[in-house]
Amino acid sequence: AQSVTQLGSHVSVSEGALVLLRCNYSSSVPPYLFWYVQYPNQGLQLLLKYTSAATLVKGINGFEAEFKKSETSFHLTKPSAHMSDAAEYFCAVSDQGSGNTGKLIFGQGTTLQVKP
Amino acid sequence: GAGVSQSPSNKVTEKGKDVELRCDPISGHTALYWYRQRLGQGLEFLIYFQGNSAPDKSGLPSDRFSAERTGESVSTLTIQRTQQEDSAVYLCASRSLTDTQYFGPGTRLTVL
Repeated sequence: AQSVTQLGSHVSVSEGALVLLRCNYSSSVPPYLFWYVQYPNQGLQLLLKYTSAATLVKGINGFEAEFKKSETSFHLTKPSAHMSDAAEYFCAVSDQGSGNTGKLIFGQGTTLQVKP
Repeated sequence: GAGVSQSPSNKVTEKGKDVELRCDPISGHTALYWYRQRLGQGLEFLIYFQGNSAPDKSGLPSDRFSAERTGESVSTLTIQRTQQEDSAVYLCASRSLTDTQYFGPGTRLTVL
């Protein structure tokens, strides 16, 4: 079975500071990993995804994540936070490949607060 | 349309009533998913459709929940005899050939 753990339900950073949102996964098959962002009263928007190519994945809005198999982690980072980054972030894992559904298993989410 | 659309955006109903939620996927996306997001919780998978194959219903929480999809078009999620614990945002997603799921804006269901 697959699972995702996001460490820290709330993270607060100052504007311009490094953003680090932690995600650890469990999967019995090579995983596909995703980060989604949800702004208030909106649906989920894909930030980036890992699908077994390069381990360092760059996404939209300056975010990136690194797949570390040895640590079963896929942490999301951004060098300098903007006020507009305040939102809820979800890490997700899916099983891909023939015979699998590709359904996403989500973590509980991390709310990012950016202080001026 | 350009993205996944869902209707209604908000639905308030009384306990015991049936509700029907609609999802229009992105044209050409053969895979469609329903998820539920309860307040303060992550998203839970409900059901998966792939073309004309039998759906994966493993995430449906009870037999009060059902969903249909005709071919590769619109899907409807029906909840019968709604309960207060069904209150949540119901999200639909369709999947591209690059294995990315694109989400609709969701339907916020409130059961009084």
